[in-house]
Amino acid sequence: AQTVTQSQPEMSVQEAETVTLSCTYDTSENNYYLFWYKQPPSRQMILVIRQEAYKQQNATENRFSVNFQKAAKSFSLKISDSQLGDTAMYFCAFLLYGQNFVFGPGTRLSVLP
Amino acid sequence: NAGVTQTPKFQVLKTGQSMTLQCAQDMNHEYMSWYRQDPGMGLRLIHYSVGAGITDQGEVPNGYNVSRSTTEDFPLRLLSAAPSQTSVYFCASSRPTGGPYGYTFGSGTRLTVV
Repeated sequence: AQTVTQSQPEMSVQEAETVTLSCTYDTSENNYYLFWYKQPPSRQMILVIRQEAYKQQNATENRFSVNFQKAAKSFSLKISDSQLGDTAMYFCAFLLYGQNFVFGPGTRLSVLP
Repeated sequence: NAGVTQTPKFQVLKTGQSMTLQCAQDMNHEYMSWYRQDPGMGLRLIHYSVGAGITDQGEVPNGYNVSRSTTEDFPLRLLSAAPSQTSVYFCASSRPTGGPYGYTFGSGTRLTVV
């Protein structure tokens, strides 16, 4: 079975600075998808970024980018120019096509003014 | 296009009471699922469905029932609530099952069992 680990339960960063959230996963599969979801205090789950394992190029969405290291089974999220609105829980998730998501335990990020 | 609609948003139950959490989607998604979110444990799968008339258990199914009579609706039933079922519940859908573009989530239900 696949597992997802997020080793940082809580992090904080100063506004306008850069922060990296860690995620590692365990799988014997070769083709899969990885996601980062954001959950602000409103509780809504918002897709931040996704990565297809067969693509070597790291995904980027505006201020959000990932460092995908397939051999190391690592999928970290970098947030540049942090904003107060980035304060949220961040979940890393693993998906095999046709199966269910597996979520990590989450990292609570606080952006400080 | 409302996406995934969950009701209610908040609920307090007494131990032993029953209730149904409602989930409806208007995107013609074949896959629907229920997760519970607990501190430090992420989201854990309760039950899921890959189409009308088809349901299956996830990681933590005990104490919950589901049915899927239509493509749009996927209610979650608690037959006899227990304090251990205090949690935030999310309904999610996708097309196709395990679709590579991720899930669409409802806004969640915070349930407290006293």
